[in-house]
Amino acid sequence: KAGVTQTPRYLIKTRGQQVTLSCSPISGHRSVSWYQQTPGQGLQFLFEYFSETQRNKGNFPGRFSGRQFSNSRSEMNVSTLELGDSALYLCASSEGQGRVNTEAFFGQGTRLTVV
Amino acid sequence: AQTVTQSQPEMSVQEAETVTLSCTYDTSENNYYLFWYKQPPSRQMILVIRQEAYKQQNATENRFSVNFQKAAKSFSLKISDSQLGDTAMYFCASAGPNYGGSQGNLIFGKGTKLSVKP
Repeated sequence: KAGVTQTPRYLIKTRGQQVTLSCSPISGHRSVSWYQQTPGQGLQFLFEYFSETQRNKGNFPGRFSGRQFSNSRSEMNVSTLELGDSALYLCASSEGQGRVNTEAFFGQGTRLTVV
Repeated sequence: AQTVTQSQPEMSVQEAETVTLSCTYDTSENNYYLFWYKQPPSRQMILVIRQEAYKQQNATENRFSVNFQKAAKSFSLKISDSQLGDTAMYFCASAGPNYGGSQGNLIFGKGTKLSVKP
């Protein structure tokens, strides 16, 4: 079974630009969560999508948005990039519906550098 | 709100020895889930072990075991017979009672960098 795939692996953007990151979950998984990882703040939850609907959101400004498609693939968008948005963005997929033993599987992340 | 605290930023252990990583958490929920994740240099987060709060028995996975003290809100990870491949960042995480259902997010601690020395 293929794992969680995140593209691109590395990205360099300029302040003020926007960026779109992609996450393809494990086949059959309907939940996709996004996390931002920085040395200072650690791992912080951005949002979670399930069946094309955002059902949880972390404490991030409106510049951070996402969506999920009918095939469960998810995209995350950051507009008006700031230097502080430089981070590793991790995506996690899970079955997402009521299984007690559910496990979140993570991708290898997208390393975003804002210059 | 849930919080997770890891008080040891870095630790080291000799190969084949045992090491314990500490984690404390705070939650107002009666039921919740606790996890230890490993993040090697490849950056991919890998689940090491999980514990459901209503289960009093400590979880064990091969060389990895936890000491879950619910009253003290403590959840430490013990790695026995440490191997070079255990070198990684280790994150403690918690999730609320609806984890796996209507709520899928994890709350992470800041991590402990573990180095296993030959």
